[in-house]
Amino acid sequence: KAGVTQTPRYLIKTRGQQVTLSCSPISGHRSVSWYQQTPGQGLQFLFEYFSETQRNKGNFPGRFSGRQFSNSRSEMNVSTLELGDSALYLCASSPRDGTDTQYFGPGTRLTVL
Amino acid sequence: QKEVEQDPGPLSVPEGAIVSLNCTYSNSAFQYFMWYRQYSRKGPELLMYTYSSGNKEDGRFTAQVDKSSKYISLFIRDSQPSDSATYLCAMRGGSNYQLIWGAGTKLIIKP
Repeated sequence: KAGVTQTPRYLIKTRGQQVTLSCSPISGHRSVSWYQQTPGQGLQFLFEYFSETQRNKGNFPGRFSGRQFSNSRSEMNVSTLELGDSALYLCASSPRDGTDTQYFGPGTRLTVL
Repeated sequence: QKEVEQDPGPLSVPEGAIVSLNCTYSNSAFQYFMWYRQYSRKGPELLMYTYSSGNKEDGRFTAQVDKSSKYISLFIRDSQPSDSATYLCAMRGGSNYQLIWGAGTKLIIKP
């Protein structure tokens, strides 16, 4: 089975712009979670989607949003980018919600200038 | 104070040594404990999964949970240079599915 794929792998944006990141989960997986990873804060949970519904949301401002499509693919959007949004954004898929066996993609490295 | 504390390291040890990685936590409701390994430029991958207290062994890896002390450990025996990576602990409690993560410890195994 192919693993979790994320596109793009690298992205450079400037402050004030918006960005959309994409995640394709493992075939058959219905749950997709998004995380922000920075050296100082570690992995911070953004949100989780299951069957196109947001099931859980972390403590991030409304500039961070996401959605899941009927084929389980997911996108996350960050509007009005700030310098502090520079991070590795990781997507993880699970066969069902609530499972702890999360399979991570390689991440999208976002740099905000 | 963070719910899960983990020393970011780096921790550098010679090849063949026994490695001990640790996390402490404050939420007594945590029942499910995991260790993930993350190589550079890759996403984390699940190494060990433990429920409640006790030990779990898988090859050279042993996960240990002490709920009374709110302390979990990952031991690596006969460490290899290929074990060099960042090790993250993660945990959750009861019906809350959201995982709480440690900051990760960078481990370097010197040949």
